[in-house]
Amino acid sequence: GEDVEQSLFLSVREGDSSVINCTYTDSSSTYLYWYKQEPGAGLQLLTYIFSNMDMKQDQRLTVLLNKKDKHLSLRIADTQTGDSAIYFCAESKSFQKLVFGTGTRLLVSP
Amino acid sequence: NAGVMQNPRHLVRRRGQEARLRCSPMKGHSHVYWYRQLPEEGLKFMVYLQKENIIDESGMPKERFSAEFPKEGPSILRIQQVVRGDSAAYFCASSPPVLGEPGNTIYFGEGSWLTVV
Repeated sequence: GEDVEQSLFLSVREGDSSVINCTYTDSSSTYLYWYKQEPGAGLQLLTYIFSNMDMKQDQRLTVLLNKKDKHLSLRIADTQTGDSAIYFCAESKSFQKLVFGTGTRLLVSP
Repeated sequence: NAGVMQNPRHLVRRRGQEARLRCSPMKGHSHVYWYRQLPEEGLKFMVYLQKENIIDESGMPKERFSAEFPKEGPSILRIQQVVRGDSAAYFCASSPPVLGEPGNTIYFGEGSWLTVV
């Protein structure tokens, strides 16, 4: 079956790096995503990675994929208070149906 | 280019009433998806539609819920005889027909928050 797990909370200080982790069970996952959700708002696609990639970097964001361990991480460099939000990991075999984790609430303190 | 538009953003219904949620996909997108987010949970897939076709409704509750995406107009998610457990955020997403290229992926609307009292 499909299952995506994330830790519930992460607290960091402004300027530090944040690392949000995610594990998934479906070895046939083709695409993995990170979305950001601010309170009362919709989902913002941050980045996605194909399963044949190990790493993807986009400005302050670095995604690492360990396909053998089915582990995905999102590193946010120089975390700012505006990064405080819930971060969802998601996987899919095709783009048509995403399976989401329960989200990691990131709190950035000044 | 406007994003995925959902309305209403907030909807309050009494138990037993009907709720209709509307979604207009991004320009050029012909595929629409509905997801539900219960309080303190992640999003759960409900249904995937193309124009006039339901492609995958494996996540839809068997009763009271229906979805359509007509040839003209927005996609509609309809919940009949709402109960308190239907209170949730309902997110619509859309995508173009050809996926897999950078930027061609699923984009979400800002959600419709349904409260059943």
